[in-house]
Amino acid sequence: GENVEQHPSTLSVQEGDSAVIKCTYSDSASNYFPWYKQELGKRPQLIIDIRSNVGEKKDQRIAVTLNKTAKHFSLHITETQPEDSAVYFCAASIGNSGYALNFGKGTSLLVTP
Amino acid sequence: GAVVSQHPSRVICKSGTSVKIECRSLDFQATTMFWYRQFPKQSLMLMATSNEGSKATYEQGVEKDKFLINHASLTLSTLTVTSAHPEDSSFYICGLIRSTEAFFGQGTRLTVV
Repeated sequence: GENVEQHPSTLSVQEGDSAVIKCTYSDSASNYFPWYKQELGKRPQLIIDIRSNVGEKKDQRIAVTLNKTAKHFSLHITETQPEDSAVYFCAASIGNSGYALNFGKGTSLLVTP
Repeated sequence: GAVVSQHPSRVICKSGTSVKIECRSLDFQATTMFWYRQFPKQSLMLMATSNEGSKATYEQGVEKDKFLINHASLTLSTLTVTSAHPEDSSFYICGLIRSTEAFFGQGTRLTVV
């Protein structure tokens, strides 16, 4: 079936540096691409999302870019802080119904002081 | 405030018994809910789509007779893991879509001993 590839699986950065996580998807009908942050044993929390009619979206230190032609989207976190340490998941809608999501395998981000 | 409430948060059961997990939509009538499973250090995998008043749609490889889903009302979907075995131990999360944004329950940590 359709899937979402996410890289890297682990990422370690120093506080203040930037972190970039990349995802690719295969379903050309996907039109919604959310990013989630998950702390151990807790539910995923939406941090930012982007829709197919937009190429870039920014919210303070977090930005997401989307290239529909290449079917890839990226999460950028600037000025990282230790509290940014968590597992981040990208996701792509299954088709364009806006319903179920296919998730990437996750990126474990560690921000060291 | 919370959109989705999931119970229980943790359950330990003996092998061969059944466990029911409830997912409630708190302020929204959800005709569709989703059930995901997450193994340790892995991503969320869609198990099934729960449709109010009709049969659930299961993803490939998910046994419908083992994972019984009931969506009898617009605010409640239940997942029953029947004849649970240790390999069913996992983190189960329900979710729904409201205004094209996905919301998740708190998750249920199931341990089968």
